Amino acid sequence: KAGVTQTPRYLIKTRGQQVTLSCSPISGHRSVSWYQQTPGQGLQFLFEYFSETQRNKGNFPGRFSGRQFSNSRSEMNVSTLELGDSALYLCASSLVPAHNEQFFGPGTRLTVL
Amino acid sequence: AQSVTQLGSHVSVSEGALVLLRCNYSSSVPPYLFWYVQYPNQGLQLLLKYTSAATLVKGINGFEAEFKKSETSFHLTKPSAHMSDAAEYFCAVSDSSYQKVTFGTGTKLQVIP
Repeated sequence: KAGVTQTPRYLIKTRGQQVTLSCSPISGHRSVSWYQQTPGQGLQFLFEYFSETQRNKGNFPGRFSGRQFSNSRSEMNVSTLELGDSALYLCASSLVPAHNEQFFGPGTRLTVL
Repeated sequence: AQSVTQLGSHVSVSEGALVLLRCNYSSSVPPYLFWYVQYPNQGLQLLLKYTSAATLVKGINGFEAEFKKSETSFHLTKPSAHMSDAAEYFCAVSDSSYQKVTFGTGTKLQVIP
């Protein structure tokens, strides 16, 4: 069974631009969560989707948004990029939300110049 | 609210020595607890999980953790460290009422030959 895939793996953008990251969960998994990982803040929860509905949202500004499609694939979008958005963005999938174990993708490394 | 505290952002052990990584949690309801490992430039991989069955949980790569409700702890141990154990380790908590996973800030394990 294929694992969680994230595309692209690396991305370089400039301030003010927007970016879209993609995540394909493990087949059969309907829950997808997104995390931002930085050296200073650690792993911070962005949002979680289940059956195309956002179930939970972390404390991030409205520039961060996401969605989930009917095939459970998910995208997250960051508009008006800031230098502080440079981070590793991790996607995790699980059969059902939360207390079930999560399977992580390799992440997308975003660098904002 | 639920939270996780990992004591020690960096831990160094000699090869062959005991590994002990500390995790204390806070949860108003019985928790689900997890330990994940992250190798450089990779996503997180589940080591083990506690879901209210046996209090001593065995995971992959020789790791185990013991759930101690009285101490609100879930420390990770391995009897003998191997060079390949060098990585960052994250403790996480979830419960059915919040249905959200909260991660600790991580502990980087260095194994000295």
